[in-house]
Amino acid sequence: DSGVTQTPKHLITATGQRVTLRCSPRSGDLSVYWYQQSLDQGLQFLIQYYNGEERAKGNILERFSAQQFPDLHSELNLSSLELGDSALYFCASSAWDGQETQYFGPGTRLLVL
Amino acid sequence: ELKVEQNPLFLSMQEGKNYTIYCNYSTTSDRLYWYRQDPGKSLESLFVLLSNGAVKQEGRLMASLDTKARLSTLHITAAVHDLSATYFCAVGLSDTGNQFYFGTGTSLTVIP
Repeated sequence: DSGVTQTPKHLITATGQRVTLRCSPRSGDLSVYWYQQSLDQGLQFLIQYYNGEERAKGNILERFSAQQFPDLHSELNLSSLELGDSALYFCASSAWDGQETQYFGPGTRLLVL
Repeated sequence: ELKVEQNPLFLSMQEGKNYTIYCNYSTTSDRLYWYRQDPGKSLESLFVLLSNGAVKQEGRLMASLDTKARLSTLHITAAVHDLSATYFCAVGLSDTGNQFYFGTGTSLTVIP
C-alpha cells in the first residue's frame, strides 16, 4: 500500500459527459501528479501540482483540468469525454517537487462508451 | 519533443540468468526514473537517478545513468520469477516546468 488513494476505482460513462477523479496523497507529501495510461499512447504525464499551485503541465488536453485543494488532495476533471479518453488514470505523490520517489495510487479505470 | 526508447520491448529469460534493459532518450536530462508495473496493477517506483554516473542497486536490480550518452540501463542479476513485470523508464525535464516522458516499457517474463 503506497498510502495514495484514488476514487473511484472504476468509472463507466458516455461520450460528452464530465467526470471527476479524486486523489489523496500520502500524508505530508506536497506534490501530486496525474498520469494517463492507455494502449494507444502508453504512459503520459498530464499535470503536477505542488502545494496548491500548478507546477508543470504535460500532455493534458484543454478538456481536462485539475486542481489541488488546501488539504492537498487533488481532483482531475475530464469533460466532453470522447471514446479515446478511455484509459487508466493514476495519481502519484511525492514529498517535494519531483526529483524524488513518487508513490502511485491504485488508479481509476475510465471507460467511455 | 523528447523521445524515450526502451529495448527490448519483450524479454523472456530463464531464472538465474542476467540481462540488461536499455533506455535511450533524445535530449539532455539529468533525471531518470525506473518503475515496475505488475499486470493490472499500479506503478511502483524503483530508482531515481539524478546525476551522470549515478548507480543504484536494490536486490537483483541495478540501475545506472550516463547523461552524456543519454542512456540508462536496468541490469537484472540472477533473475527470479518474482521479477516478472513490465519495467518503464521515464526521463525528467526541468527546463519547461517539470515534465516526465515515459518509455514504451519492457515486458519481462522470467521462466522457472
